Amino acid sequence: GIQVEQSPPDLILQEGANSTLRCNFSDSVNNLQWFHQNPWGQLINLFYIPSGTKQNGRLSATTVATERYSLLYISSSQTTDSGVYFCAVVVAGGTSYGKLTFGQGTILTVHP
Amino acid sequence: DAEITQSPRHKITETGRQVTLACHQTWNHNNMFWYRQDLGHGLRLIHYSYGVQDTNKGEVSDGYSVSRSNTEDLPLTLESAASSQTSVYFCASRNFQGIAFFGQGTRLTVV
Repeated sequence: GIQVEQSPPDLILQEGANSTLRCNFSDSVNNLQWFHQNPWGQLINLFYIPSGTKQNGRLSATTVATERYSLLYISSSQTTDSGVYFCAVVVAGGTSYGKLTFGQGTILTVHP
Repeated sequence: DAEITQSPRHKITETGRQVTLACHQTWNHNNMFWYRQDLGHGLRLIHYSYGVQDTNKGEVSDGYSVSRSNTEDLPLTLESAASSQTSVYFCASRNFQGIAFFGQGTRLTVV
């Protein structure tokens, strides 16, 4: 099956710093989502971004589907950004049927 | 507001007991999914459904079953709970654009 690799596995920042999280995937995809799992365990949708670039406030994401990677940018990080960031993809083709395959996540800790 | 809810949020059960976790969504989505989250494994797909009366096995389906008698609900049943099934369980539904939305999760402990 498809492999989804996220890097770095852990990231520690001071408040106000910028960061880039990466997601590499081993096969063609027709769906890619970024999620933030907050300290209470909730999975929050950040972006649905199978290709192109999107921005939402201090967060933005870019997916280059032809090169099989996606990037999540966090600018001016805040302590509330702490948590785990997951990339999840759906393999392109007729048998995937919307099934998301998750990466292992990046654990982000933002210190005040 | 439309939403997806799971119950209970926390459950402790004994080995060998049957347990059912509920998932209810009000968006009228056809596609629904159950995942489990464990340290070191991320989220893994247990079962999924593309509509009423449709159910399919995912990556880690052994010991679990689901049923889909209506659009709104996809209950997950552990036939005979085992300690290896101690985990956090997430239900999700997917809209026509392909965007998945997750419930709050259920933390299950099997003792």
